[in-house]
Amino acid sequence: AAGVIQSPRHLIKEKRETATLKCYPIPRHDTVYWYQQGPGQDPQFLISFYEKMQSDKGSIPDRFSAQQFSDYHSELNMSSLELGDSALYFCASSLGGTIYNEQFFGPGTRLTVL
Amino acid sequence: DQQVKQNSPSLSVQEGRISILNCDYTNSMFDYFLWYKKYPAEGPTFLISISSIKDKNEDGRFTVFLNKSAKHLSLHIVPSQPGDSAVYFCAAKDFGNEKLTFGTGTRLTIIP
Repeated sequence: AAGVIQSPRHLIKEKRETATLKCYPIPRHDTVYWYQQGPGQDPQFLISFYEKMQSDKGSIPDRFSAQQFSDYHSELNMSSLELGDSALYFCASSLGGTIYNEQFFGPGTRLTVL
Repeated sequence: DQQVKQNSPSLSVQEGRISILNCDYTNSMFDYFLWYKKYPAEGPTFLISISSIKDKNEDGRFTVFLNKSAKHLSLHIVPSQPGDSAVYFCAAKDFGNEKLTFGTGTRLTIIP
């Protein structure tokens, strides 16, 4: 079965640079979520989109922005990168519009900021 | 403020025996709970879920129990297999929000 695709899988950037992470949800899933997992920590929710509209917002820095496109893929844009942004970034997708919907996660993008 | 807690960072279980992973939560608004399994360098894999209207849900070797009054849930894996060795996260959400709130994870090691 098709899974959530994230690209790139690894990314190395320098401080103050920008980065763009991409997420392709499972076919027919209309909801996308972004999570950040720091070393030794649990995943922290950043932001979600349902039908191309932001549906929920968590602890996402103002330097980050995201959107969901007409084909339901999503991009997380990160600017003025800081050392503390080094983390695993997971995207998850689900079929929205249901009360209880499991989120299926992609393999993650490991971002290293030097 | 850790709203979902897994107090055991690690657990070792003999192959073939039962593994029991525990999770406690503090937010009484949570009404849907999920367990995920995570291997290194991979994303969390959904295992099993339970809504607050139930106290038990079973899927093959995996059973999740929910005790709402105690704000406690547990995942039972029986029989445990070597491939079950991974980090297990419990997660919770409430009806009004999209986000999952994760616990800190328990590393399960199955001893052959």
